[in-house]
Amino acid sequence: NAGVTQTPKFRILKIGQSMTLQCTQDMNHNYMYWYRQDPGMGLKLIYYSVGAGITDKGEVPNGYNVSRSTTEDFPLRLELAAPSQTSVYFCASVYTGTPTYEQYFGPGTRLTVT
Amino acid sequence: GENVEQHPSTLSVQEGDSAVIKCTYSDSASNYFPWYKQELGKRPQLIIDIRSNVGEKKDQRIAVTLNKTAKHFSLHITETQPEDSAVYFCAASLYSGAGSYQLTFGKGTKLSVIP
Repeated sequence: NAGVTQTPKFRILKIGQSMTLQCTQDMNHNYMYWYRQDPGMGLKLIYYSVGAGITDKGEVPNGYNVSRSTTEDFPLRLELAAPSQTSVYFCASVYTGTPTYEQYFGPGTRLTVT
Repeated sequence: GENVEQHPSTLSVQEGDSAVIKCTYSDSASNYFPWYKQELGKRPQLIIDIRSNVGEKKDQRIAVTLNKTAKHFSLHITETQPEDSAVYFCAASLYSGAGSYQLTFGKGTKLSVIP
């Protein structure tokens, strides 16, 4: 299994541009998450999904959108990028049908908005 | 919502000494408390977790304790080694088996083990 994969690894955006961060997992996990990690800070939840077709807002959803058309994919869309969205973005997934609740993280996408 | 406070923000110890990181949480309904280790430039990885029906859990040099009454939990690393140097995050969650399952993270502790 590749686990949780994310693309791209790095990206520089100009203010006002848009982009989609891709996240794919091949573990048949039902729950998926998007976090952002600012320097020296913990992870903050942007959006999450409990299954295909179901998404919900986390703590910091403004400026982002998500979709979950399949179990495997959970893309994060940034519209009208702003400098405040400069961060490292992590996707994670978990299978809630087992006794362990471990969230598996992807390698992250480092985004800079200038 | 849940709020998790983590202390200290930085911690330096001599190789072989013990390290303790403490976290408090606000929601008494939270029932799952994982600890993640993040090396520089890498993804967070789970190192140990504990559920609210257990007071302590050990895995080799790592242990976690939970005090539900006081709403705090701690990570203990014994016989520290240079490869333990990383940022450690605590987190808290309410998992009910149905509906959402969200982790709220502390801000992290940067542990440096001095050889």
